[in-house]
Amino acid sequence: KNEVEQSPQNLTAQEGEFITINCSYSVGISALHWLQQHPGGGIVSLFMLSSGKKKHGRLIATINIQEKHSSLHITASHPRDSAVYICAAETSGSRLTFGEGTQLTVNP
Amino acid sequence: DGGITQSPKYLFRKEGQNVTLSCEQNLNHDAMYWYRQDPGQGLRLIYYSQIVNDFQKGDIAEGYSVSREKKESFPLTVTSAQKNPTAFYLCASSNVISGANVLTFGAGSRLTVL
Repeated sequence: KNEVEQSPQNLTAQEGEFITINCSYSVGISALHWLQQHPGGGIVSLFMLSSGKKKHGRLIATINIQEKHSSLHITASHPRDSAVYICAAETSGSRLTFGEGTQLTVNP
Repeated sequence: DGGITQSPKYLFRKEGQNVTLSCEQNLNHDAMYWYRQDPGQGLRLIYYSQIVNDFQKGDIAEGYSVSREKKESFPLTVTSAQKNPTAFYLCASSNVISGANVLTFGAGSRLTVL
Protein backbone atom coordinates (compact mmCIF):
# COMPACT_ATOMS: atom_id res chain seq x y z
CA LYS A 1 0.00 0.00 0.00
CA ASN A 2 1.34 3.39 -1.01
CA GLU A 3 1.85 5.93 1.74
CA VAL A 4 -0.09 8.49 -0.33
CA GLU A 5 -3.10 7.38 -2.35
CA GLN A 6 -5.22 9.47 -4.66
CA SER A 7 -8.62 8.84 -6.14
CA PRO A 8 -9.83 8.73 -8.75
CA GLN A 9 -6.90 7.96 -11.06
CA ASN A 10 -8.79 9.40 -14.01
CA LEU A 11 -11.67 11.84 -14.05
CA THR A 12 -13.63 13.22 -16.99
CA ALA A 13 -16.06 16.08 -16.46
CA GLN A 14 -18.18 18.47 -18.47
CA GLU A 15 -17.40 22.15 -18.38
CA GLY A 16 -19.06 23.78 -15.39
CA GLU A 17 -19.13 20.69 -13.17
CA PHE A 18 -17.91 20.66 -9.59
CA ILE A 19 -14.89 18.38 -9.24
CA THR A 20 -13.41 16.64 -6.21
CA ILE A 21 -10.08 14.81 -6.05
CA ASN A 22 -9.23 12.90 -2.90
CA CYS A 23 -5.94 12.15 -1.19
CA SER A 24 -5.36 9.80 1.74
CA TYR A 25 -2.06 9.37 3.49
CA SER A 26 -0.75 6.98 6.10
CA VAL A 27 2.28 8.88 7.36
CA GLY A 28 2.58 11.66 9.88
CA ILE A 29 2.89 14.91 8.01
CA SER A 30 3.93 18.47 8.60
CA ALA A 31 2.03 19.66 5.52
CA LEU A 32 0.11 18.44 2.48
CA HIS A 33 0.83 19.86 -0.97
CA TRP A 34 -1.43 19.94 -4.01
CA LEU A 35 0.37 20.30 -7.35
CA GLN A 36 -0.76 20.67 -10.95
CA GLN A 37 1.13 19.15 -13.88
CA HIS A 38 0.28 20.20 -17.42
CA PRO A 39 0.95 18.06 -20.51
CA GLY A 40 4.34 19.69 -21.07
CA GLY A 41 5.46 18.25 -17.76
CA GLY A 42 6.10 21.33 -15.66
CA ILE A 43 4.61 21.31 -12.18
CA VAL A 44 3.00 24.22 -10.38
CA SER A 45 2.36 24.33 -6.67
CA LEU A 46 -1.32 25.03 -5.96
CA PHE A 47 -1.64 24.74 -2.21
CA MET A 48 0.29 23.86 0.87
CA LEU A 49 -1.83 23.27 3.94
CA SER A 50 -1.43 21.80 7.38
CA SER A 51 -4.96 22.35 8.66
CA GLY A 52 -8.38 23.55 7.65
CA LYS A 53 -9.10 24.95 4.24
CA LYS A 54 -7.53 27.20 1.63
CA LYS A 55 -9.12 28.85 -1.39
CA HIS A 56 -7.60 30.37 -4.49
CA GLY A 57 -9.97 31.42 -7.22
CA ARG A 58 -12.04 28.39 -8.21
CA LEU A 59 -9.79 25.98 -6.33
CA ILE A 60 -10.40 24.89 -2.75
CA ALA A 61 -8.24 22.52 -0.72
CA THR A 62 -9.25 21.00 2.58
CA ILE A 63 -7.49 18.73 5.01
CA ASN A 64 -8.66 16.59 7.94
CA ILE A 65 -5.61 15.77 10.03
CA GLN A 66 -7.43 13.24 12.24
CA GLU A 67 -8.69 11.28 9.25
CA LYS A 68 -5.45 11.76 7.26
CA HIS A 69 -7.40 12.92 4.26
CA SER A 70 -7.32 15.91 1.95
CA SER A 71 -9.52 16.99 -0.94
CA LEU A 72 -9.03 19.33 -3.85
CA HIS A 73 -12.19 20.88 -5.26
CA ILE A 74 -12.61 22.78 -8.50
CA THR A 75 -15.77 24.82 -8.90
CA ALA A 76 -17.20 25.72 -12.32
CA SER A 77 -14.60 23.56 -14.08
CA HIS A 78 -13.17 24.68 -17.40
CA PRO A 79 -11.25 22.84 -20.15
CA ARG A 80 -8.11 24.73 -19.16
CA ASP A 81 -8.27 22.93 -15.79
CA SER A 82 -7.38 19.71 -17.64
CA ALA A 83 -4.14 18.49 -16.11
CA VAL A 84 -2.72 15.94 -13.70
CA TYR A 85 -3.30 16.86 -10.07
CA ILE A 86 -0.84 15.46 -7.56
CA CYS A 87 -0.93 15.44 -3.80
CA ALA A 88 2.26 15.14 -1.80
CA ALA A 89 2.73 14.55 1.91
CA GLU A 90 5.54 16.49 3.52
CA THR A 91 7.24 14.69 6.38
CA SER A 92 10.12 15.61 8.63
CA GLY A 93 13.14 17.12 6.94
CA SER A 94 10.94 18.54 4.17
CA ARG A 95 10.78 15.15 2.46
CA LEU A 96 7.84 14.71 0.10
CA THR A 97 5.99 11.49 -0.71
CA PHE A 98 3.88 11.81 -3.82
CA GLY A 99 0.62 10.26 -4.91
CA GLU A 100 0.38 8.83 -8.41
CA GLY A 101 -1.72 11.72 -9.63
CA THR A 102 -5.24 12.18 -10.95
CA GLN A 103 -5.65 12.85 -14.67
CA LEU A 104 -8.47 15.36 -15.06
CA THR A 105 -10.07 16.04 -18.43
CA VAL A 106 -12.72 18.73 -18.69
CA ASN A 107 -14.69 18.66 -21.92
CA PRO A 108 -16.33 21.76 -23.40
CA ASP B 1 11.40 36.61 -12.96
CA GLY B 2 12.63 34.12 -10.38
CA GLY B 3 12.42 30.47 -11.15
CA ILE B 4 14.11 27.19 -11.93
CA THR B 5 15.70 26.46 -15.29
CA GLN B 6 16.28 22.89 -16.35
CA SER B 7 18.21 21.94 -19.45
CA PRO B 8 18.10 20.27 -21.79
CA LYS B 9 14.35 19.75 -22.13
CA TYR B 10 14.86 16.64 -24.26
CA LEU B 11 17.95 14.45 -24.32
CA PHE B 12 18.81 11.27 -26.14
CA ARG B 13 21.68 9.11 -25.07
CA LYS B 14 23.21 5.84 -26.09
CA GLU B 15 23.55 3.02 -23.60
CA GLY B 16 26.76 3.20 -21.65
CA GLN B 17 27.06 6.99 -21.77
CA ASN B 18 26.88 9.31 -18.82
CA VAL B 19 24.70 12.40 -19.16
CA THR B 20 24.36 15.48 -16.99
CA LEU B 21 21.10 17.37 -16.49
CA SER B 22 21.36 20.99 -15.46
CA CYS B 23 19.25 22.69 -12.80
CA GLU B 24 19.71 26.38 -11.96
CA GLN B 25 17.58 28.51 -9.65
CA ASN B 26 17.60 32.24 -8.94
CA LEU B 27 15.14 32.08 -6.06
CA ASN B 28 17.83 32.06 -3.38
CA HIS B 29 16.34 28.81 -2.11
CA ASP B 30 18.47 26.75 0.25
CA ALA B 31 17.12 23.29 -0.60
CA MET B 32 17.15 21.62 -4.00
CA TYR B 33 15.79 18.25 -5.12
CA TRP B 34 15.89 15.85 -8.05
CA TYR B 35 12.88 13.65 -8.76
CA ARG B 36 12.23 10.99 -11.33
CA GLN B 37 8.77 10.46 -12.82
CA ASP B 38 7.71 7.28 -14.61
CA PRO B 39 4.30 6.61 -16.16
CA GLY B 40 1.72 5.52 -13.60
CA GLN B 41 3.99 6.25 -10.65
CA GLY B 42 4.38 9.12 -8.26
CA LEU B 43 7.52 11.23 -8.29
CA ARG B 44 10.43 9.53 -6.57
CA LEU B 45 13.28 11.35 -4.85
CA ILE B 46 16.74 10.74 -6.29
CA TYR B 47 18.92 13.20 -4.35
CA TYR B 48 18.41 16.32 -2.31
CA SER B 49 20.58 19.08 -0.91
CA GLN B 50 19.66 21.37 1.95
CA ILE B 51 22.81 23.45 1.87
CA VAL B 52 25.80 24.15 -0.38
CA ASN B 53 28.45 21.42 -0.44
CA ASP B 54 26.11 18.90 1.16
CA PHE B 55 23.64 16.45 -0.35
CA GLN B 56 21.79 13.32 0.66
CA LYS B 57 20.62 10.22 -1.16
CA GLY B 58 16.92 9.91 -1.75
CA ASP B 59 14.93 6.75 -2.33
CA ILE B 60 16.40 5.80 -5.73
CA ALA B 61 19.95 7.22 -5.78
CA GLU B 62 21.68 4.21 -7.35
CA GLY B 63 23.18 5.06 -10.73
CA TYR B 64 22.98 8.81 -10.17
CA SER B 65 25.34 11.45 -8.81
CA VAL B 66 24.98 15.13 -7.92
CA SER B 67 27.03 18.09 -6.78
CA ARG B 68 26.14 21.31 -4.99
CA GLU B 69 29.12 23.62 -5.39
CA LYS B 70 26.94 26.73 -5.68
CA LYS B 71 23.64 27.60 -4.06
CA GLU B 72 22.04 28.23 -7.46
CA SER B 73 23.09 25.01 -9.15
CA PHE B 74 22.33 21.31 -8.56
CA PRO B 75 23.31 19.23 -11.60
CA LEU B 76 22.34 15.57 -11.85
CA THR B 77 24.51 13.02 -13.66
CA VAL B 78 22.82 9.88 -14.89
CA THR B 79 25.59 7.32 -15.08
CA SER B 80 25.88 4.17 -17.15
CA ALA B 81 25.23 2.25 -13.93
CA GLN B 82 21.58 3.38 -13.93
CA LYS B 83 19.82 0.36 -15.38
CA ASN B 84 16.65 2.05 -16.61
CA PRO B 85 17.41 5.73 -17.13
CA THR B 86 14.66 6.61 -19.60
CA ALA B 87 12.34 8.86 -17.61
CA PHE B 88 11.18 12.40 -16.96
CA TYR B 89 13.40 14.22 -14.47
CA LEU B 90 12.20 17.12 -12.37
CA CYS B 91 14.28 19.52 -10.33
CA ALA B 92 12.75 21.48 -7.47
CA SER B 93 13.82 23.94 -4.84
CA SER B 94 12.30 25.07 -1.59
CA ASN B 95 12.67 27.58 1.18
CA VAL B 96 10.86 28.01 4.44
CA ILE B 97 9.07 31.36 4.43
CA SER B 98 7.00 32.34 7.46
CA GLY B 99 6.98 28.74 8.59
CA ALA B 100 5.73 27.40 5.26
CA ASN B 101 7.81 25.27 2.91
CA VAL B 102 7.52 27.07 -0.44
CA LEU B 103 8.16 24.63 -3.27
CA THR B 104 9.03 25.47 -6.88
CA PHE B 105 9.54 23.04 -9.76
CA GLY B 106 11.43 23.29 -13.01
CA ALA B 107 9.87 22.37 -16.35
CA GLY B 108 11.58 18.99 -16.45
CA SER B 109 14.02 17.12 -18.66
CA ARG B 110 12.98 14.06 -20.63
CA LEU B 111 15.80 11.57 -21.08
CA THR B 112 15.55 8.75 -23.61
CA VAL B 113 18.17 6.06 -23.82
CA LEU B 114 18.43 4.50 -27.26
